[in-house]
Amino acid sequence: DAKTTQPPSMDCAEGRAANLPCNHSTISGNEYVYWYRQIHSQGPQYIIHGLKNNETNEMASLIITEDRKSSTLILPHATLRDTAVYYCIVILGAWSRDDKIIFGKGTRLHILP
Amino acid sequence: DAGVIQSPRHEVTEMGQEVTLRCKPISGHDYLFWYRQTMMRGLELLIYFNNNVPIDDSGMPEDRFSAKMPNASFSTLKIQPSEPRDSAVYFCASGTGGTQYFGPGTRLLVL
Repeated sequence: DAKTTQPPSMDCAEGRAANLPCNHSTISGNEYVYWYRQIHSQGPQYIIHGLKNNETNEMASLIITEDRKSSTLILPHATLRDTAVYYCIVILGAWSRDDKIIFGKGTRLHILP
Repeated sequence: DAGVIQSPRHEVTEMGQEVTLRCKPISGHDYLFWYRQTMMRGLELLIYFNNNVPIDDSGMPEDRFSAKMPNASFSTLKIQPSEPRDSAVYFCASGTGGTQYFGPGTRLLVL
């Protein structure tokens, strides 16, 4: 079973901020939250990750709640090229035999022109 | 950097034939992953290696599947014999720390 729960789909108007939620209520203290996206017919692409603090890079921002049970990926100015399936996964910082990497079904984000 | 390279990009074969998928990871990455993606089951981790050693192969569906990593710059995933239900897109990814970088995938169709 996936360690995360995401809405199956979301719509966002082009130019607006896209906010994608993820619940990970069973996350342990040393597990990171990672976000990937998969544009149609391509391999998944790493976006961002975090442990406790909010993170920002050139692609997105990651907001993690204080209790770490949920997070939100923010695409500040969505474009049509951001249409993709977004995956939120929870893993240890370094993989081990006890670390199950489960992508789940993700959220299908539609950017509307 | 060319990224993760996979070959072939497309493969069509007949049931019972041997299929070999190839992957060249990004130089310097010490982890290599093989995934399978289908509409029904989504993206599934099959096996991963650390420093060329298999760490977890619990996702390999059955004995028909095998994976090797003879050196840091090359890995293969072999299916022998292939079956129609093996039809899927197979991704290879490499990484260090917790981040993975995926290749473009091999689209396999077994008739």
